[in-house]
Amino acid sequence: QVQLVESGGGVVQPGGSLRLSCAASGFTFSSYGMHWVRQAPGKGLEWVAFIRYDGSNKYYADSVKGRFTISRDNSKNTLYLQMNSLRAEDTAVYYCAKDSGEVLPSVLDYWGQGTLVTVSS
Amino acid sequence: AIWMTQSPSLLSASTGDRVTISCRMSQGISSYLAWYQQKPGKAPELLIYAASTLQSGVPSRFSGSGSGTDFTLTISCLQSEDFATYYCQQYYSFPRTFGQGTKVEIK
Repeated sequence: QVQLVESGGGVVQPGGSLRLSCAASGFTFSSYGMHWVRQAPGKGLEWVAFIRYDGSNKYYADSVKGRFTISRDNSKNTLYLQMNSLRAEDTAVYYCAKDSGEVLPSVLDYWGQGTLVTVSS
Repeated sequence: AIWMTQSPSLLSASTGDRVTISCRMSQGISSYLAWYQQKPGKAPELLIYAASTLQSGVPSRFSGSGSGTDFTLTISCLQSEDFATYYCQQYYSFPRTFGQGTKVEIK
Protein backbone atom coordinates (compact mmCIF):
# COMPACT_ATOMS: atom_id res chain seq x y z
CA GLN A 1 0.00 0.00 0.00
CA VAL A 2 1.08 3.58 -0.62
CA GLN A 3 2.90 5.15 2.30
CA LEU A 4 4.20 8.68 2.60
CA VAL A 5 6.10 9.62 5.75
CA GLU A 6 7.17 13.21 6.34
CA SER A 7 9.99 14.24 8.64
CA GLY A 8 12.14 17.24 9.42
CA GLY A 9 9.62 19.53 11.04
CA GLY A 10 10.35 21.48 14.18
CA VAL A 11 10.77 24.92 15.69
CA VAL A 12 12.88 27.45 13.80
CA GLN A 13 13.49 31.16 14.26
CA PRO A 14 12.26 33.71 11.72
CA GLY A 15 14.76 33.97 8.88
CA GLY A 16 15.97 30.44 9.48
CA SER A 17 15.96 27.36 7.27
CA LEU A 18 14.57 23.86 7.46
CA ARG A 19 14.50 20.88 5.11
CA LEU A 20 11.54 18.55 5.07
CA SER A 21 11.70 15.00 3.73
CA CYS A 22 8.99 12.64 2.57
CA ALA A 23 9.83 8.95 2.30
CA ALA A 24 7.64 7.13 -0.20
CA SER A 25 6.85 3.44 -0.54
CA GLY A 26 4.25 1.14 -2.04
CA PHE A 27 4.34 2.61 -5.56
CA THR A 28 6.85 3.41 -8.31
CA PHE A 29 7.99 6.76 -6.95
CA SER A 30 9.92 7.69 -10.11
CA SER A 31 6.73 7.55 -12.21
CA TYR A 32 4.65 10.16 -10.37
CA GLY A 33 4.72 13.84 -9.65
CA MET A 34 4.65 14.92 -6.03
CA HIS A 35 3.21 17.87 -4.12
CA TRP A 36 3.68 19.71 -0.86
CA VAL A 37 0.56 21.18 0.76
CA ARG A 38 0.43 23.04 4.06
CA GLN A 39 -2.20 23.88 6.63
CA ALA A 40 -1.75 26.65 9.18
CA PRO A 41 -3.25 25.95 12.62
CA GLY A 42 -7.03 26.12 12.40
CA LYS A 43 -6.93 27.17 8.74
CA GLY A 44 -7.58 25.63 5.35
CA LEU A 45 -5.33 23.84 2.91
CA GLU A 46 -2.75 25.77 0.90
CA TRP A 47 -0.95 24.15 -2.02
CA VAL A 48 2.81 24.88 -1.84
CA ALA A 49 4.75 23.17 -4.63
CA PHE A 50 4.82 20.41 -7.26
CA ILE A 51 7.61 18.51 -8.97
CA ARG A 52 7.23 16.31 -12.01
CA TYR A 53 8.17 12.62 -11.84
CA ASP A 54 11.63 13.26 -13.26
CA GLY A 55 12.25 16.62 -11.60
CA SER A 56 12.14 18.41 -14.95
CA ASN A 57 9.43 20.90 -13.99
CA LYS A 58 8.64 22.57 -10.69
CA TYR A 59 5.82 24.90 -9.71
CA TYR A 60 5.38 27.03 -6.61
CA ALA A 61 2.76 29.07 -4.83
CA ASP A 62 3.49 32.80 -5.00
CA SER A 63 3.72 32.88 -1.21
CA VAL A 64 6.84 30.67 -1.20
CA LYS A 65 8.42 31.37 -4.58
CA GLY A 66 12.09 32.28 -4.23
CA ARG A 67 12.26 30.97 -0.66
CA PHE A 68 11.26 27.30 -0.95
CA THR A 69 12.73 24.66 -3.25
CA ILE A 70 11.13 21.32 -4.02
CA SER A 71 13.38 18.45 -5.12
CA ARG A 72 13.42 14.68 -5.24
CA ASP A 73 15.84 11.76 -5.23
CA ASN A 74 14.26 8.92 -7.18
CA SER A 75 17.07 6.56 -6.17
CA LYS A 76 16.03 7.05 -2.53
CA ASN A 77 12.25 7.33 -3.12
CA THR A 78 12.35 10.62 -1.25
CA LEU A 79 10.81 14.04 -1.78
CA TYR A 80 12.26 17.19 -0.21
CA LEU A 81 11.24 20.74 0.58
CA GLN A 82 14.04 23.16 1.37
CA MET A 83 12.60 26.14 3.20
CA ASN A 84 14.68 29.30 3.59
CA SER A 85 13.96 32.78 4.95
CA LEU A 86 11.16 31.37 7.06
CA ARG A 87 8.44 33.65 8.36
CA ALA A 88 5.87 33.33 11.11
CA GLU A 89 3.19 32.85 8.46
CA ASP A 90 4.96 29.68 7.27
CA THR A 91 3.94 27.98 10.51
CA ALA A 92 1.84 25.01 9.45
CA VAL A 93 1.54 21.27 9.13
CA TYR A 94 3.25 20.32 5.89
CA TYR A 95 1.88 17.37 3.94
CA CYS A 96 3.49 15.60 1.04
CA ALA A 97 1.07 14.12 -1.45
CA LYS A 98 1.31 11.86 -4.47
CA ASP A 99 -0.09 13.02 -7.78
CA SER A 100 -2.34 10.49 -9.49
CA GLY A 101 -1.22 11.26 -13.04
CA GLU A 102 1.56 9.32 -14.73
CA VAL A 103 1.86 11.69 -17.68
CA LEU A 104 -0.03 14.87 -16.88
CA PRO A 105 -0.33 16.32 -13.36
CA SER A 106 -3.67 15.50 -11.82
CA VAL A 107 -5.20 15.14 -8.37
CA LEU A 108 -3.58 14.35 -5.04
CA ASP A 109 -4.59 10.75 -4.39
CA TYR A 110 -2.44 9.84 -1.38
CA TRP A 111 -1.27 12.04 1.48
CA GLY A 112 1.21 11.66 4.30
CA GLN A 113 0.29 12.40 7.91
CA GLY A 114 2.15 15.69 7.92
CA THR A 115 4.99 17.31 9.85
CA LEU A 116 4.62 20.47 11.90
CA VAL A 117 6.82 23.48 11.23
CA THR A 118 6.72 26.29 13.78
CA VAL A 119 8.45 29.57 13.02
CA SER A 120 8.91 31.49 16.23
CA SER A 121 11.52 33.37 18.17
CA ALA B 1 -4.15 32.22 -10.33
CA ILE B 2 -7.63 30.71 -10.34
CA TRP B 3 -9.66 31.67 -7.28
CA MET B 4 -12.46 29.67 -5.82
CA THR B 5 -15.36 30.56 -3.60
CA GLN B 6 -16.62 27.65 -1.54
CA SER B 7 -19.89 27.90 0.36
CA PRO B 8 -21.14 27.62 2.97
CA SER B 9 -18.17 27.76 5.32
CA LEU B 10 -20.19 26.01 8.03
CA LEU B 11 -23.08 23.63 7.58
CA SER B 12 -25.09 22.26 10.49
CA ALA B 13 -26.94 19.08 9.66
CA SER B 14 -28.38 15.91 11.14
CA THR B 15 -27.69 12.28 10.33
CA GLY B 16 -29.81 11.29 7.34
CA ASP B 17 -29.91 14.80 5.85
CA ARG B 18 -29.05 15.60 2.27
CA VAL B 19 -26.36 18.28 2.13
CA THR B 20 -24.90 20.30 -0.70
CA ILE B 21 -21.64 22.23 -0.88
CA SER B 22 -20.88 24.68 -3.65
CA CYS B 23 -17.63 25.70 -5.29
CA ARG B 24 -17.47 28.56 -7.79
CA MET B 25 -14.36 29.30 -9.87
CA SER B 26 -13.04 32.66 -11.03
CA GLN B 27 -12.66 31.21 -14.54
CA GLY B 28 -13.71 28.07 -16.37
CA ILE B 29 -11.81 24.89 -15.56
CA SER B 30 -13.78 22.35 -17.59
CA SER B 31 -14.11 19.37 -15.21
CA TYR B 32 -10.72 19.63 -13.54
CA LEU B 33 -12.11 19.74 -10.04
CA ALA B 34 -11.56 17.47 -7.03
CA TRP B 35 -13.17 17.19 -3.61
CA TYR B 36 -11.35 16.16 -0.44
CA GLN B 37 -12.55 15.23 3.03
CA GLN B 38 -10.52 16.02 6.13
CA LYS B 39 -11.25 14.86 9.66
CA PRO B 40 -9.68 16.57 12.71
CA GLY B 41 -6.01 15.74 13.15
CA LYS B 42 -5.92 13.69 9.94
CA ALA B 43 -4.64 14.21 6.42
CA PRO B 44 -7.15 15.03 3.69
CA GLU B 45 -8.52 12.17 1.59
CA LEU B 46 -9.55 12.31 -2.05
CA LEU B 47 -13.28 11.80 -2.54
CA ILE B 48 -14.06 12.87 -6.10
CA TYR B 49 -12.06 13.85 -9.16
CA ALA B 50 -12.97 15.03 -12.64
CA ALA B 51 -15.89 16.81 -10.95
CA SER B 52 -18.02 13.68 -10.65
CA THR B 53 -15.88 10.51 -10.52
CA LEU B 54 -15.80 8.78 -7.15
CA GLN B 55 -12.41 7.71 -5.91
CA SER B 56 -12.18 3.97 -5.28
CA GLY B 57 -13.74 3.01 -1.96
CA VAL B 58 -15.79 6.18 -1.53
CA PRO B 59 -19.44 5.45 -0.63
CA SER B 60 -22.04 6.11 -3.30
CA ARG B 61 -23.90 8.60 -1.07
CA PHE B 62 -21.23 11.08 -2.20
CA SER B 63 -21.68 12.64 -5.61
CA GLY B 64 -20.25 15.55 -7.53
CA SER B 65 -21.53 17.60 -10.42
CA GLY B 66 -20.77 20.66 -12.49
CA SER B 67 -18.37 21.91 -15.11
CA GLY B 68 -16.91 25.22 -16.16
CA THR B 69 -17.19 27.49 -13.15
CA ASP B 70 -19.86 25.98 -10.88
CA PHE B 71 -19.51 22.72 -9.01
CA THR B 72 -21.40 20.90 -6.29
CA LEU B 73 -20.65 18.15 -3.79
CA THR B 74 -23.73 16.34 -2.48
CA ILE B 75 -23.99 13.86 0.37
CA SER B 76 -27.34 12.16 -0.11
CA CYS B 77 -27.84 10.70 3.37
CA LEU B 78 -25.42 12.07 5.93
CA GLN B 79 -23.77 9.46 8.15
CA SER B 80 -21.97 10.03 11.44
CA GLU B 81 -18.59 9.45 9.80
CA ASP B 82 -19.28 12.23 7.28
CA PHE B 83 -18.99 15.02 9.83
CA ALA B 84 -15.76 16.58 8.63
CA THR B 85 -14.38 19.48 6.59
CA TYR B 86 -14.62 19.36 2.81
CA TYR B 87 -12.42 21.17 0.31
CA CYS B 88 -12.68 21.66 -3.43
CA GLN B 89 -9.50 21.98 -5.48
CA GLN B 90 -8.86 22.89 -9.09
CA TYR B 91 -6.20 21.07 -11.09
CA TYR B 92 -6.73 22.89 -14.36
CA SER B 93 -3.57 24.96 -13.95
CA PHE B 94 -0.72 25.87 -11.64
CA PRO B 95 -0.73 27.19 -9.00
CA ARG B 96 -3.18 24.65 -7.70
CA THR B 97 -5.80 26.24 -5.44
CA PHE B 98 -8.15 24.99 -2.77
CA GLY B 99 -11.48 26.34 -1.65
CA GLN B 100 -11.73 27.78 1.85
CA GLY B 101 -13.38 24.63 3.21
CA THR B 102 -16.83 23.69 4.49
CA LYS B 103 -17.14 22.26 7.95
CA VAL B 104 -20.10 19.91 8.27
CA GLU B 105 -21.08 19.74 11.92
CA ILE B 106 -23.75 17.96 13.89
CA LYS B 107 -26.88 20.05 14.29
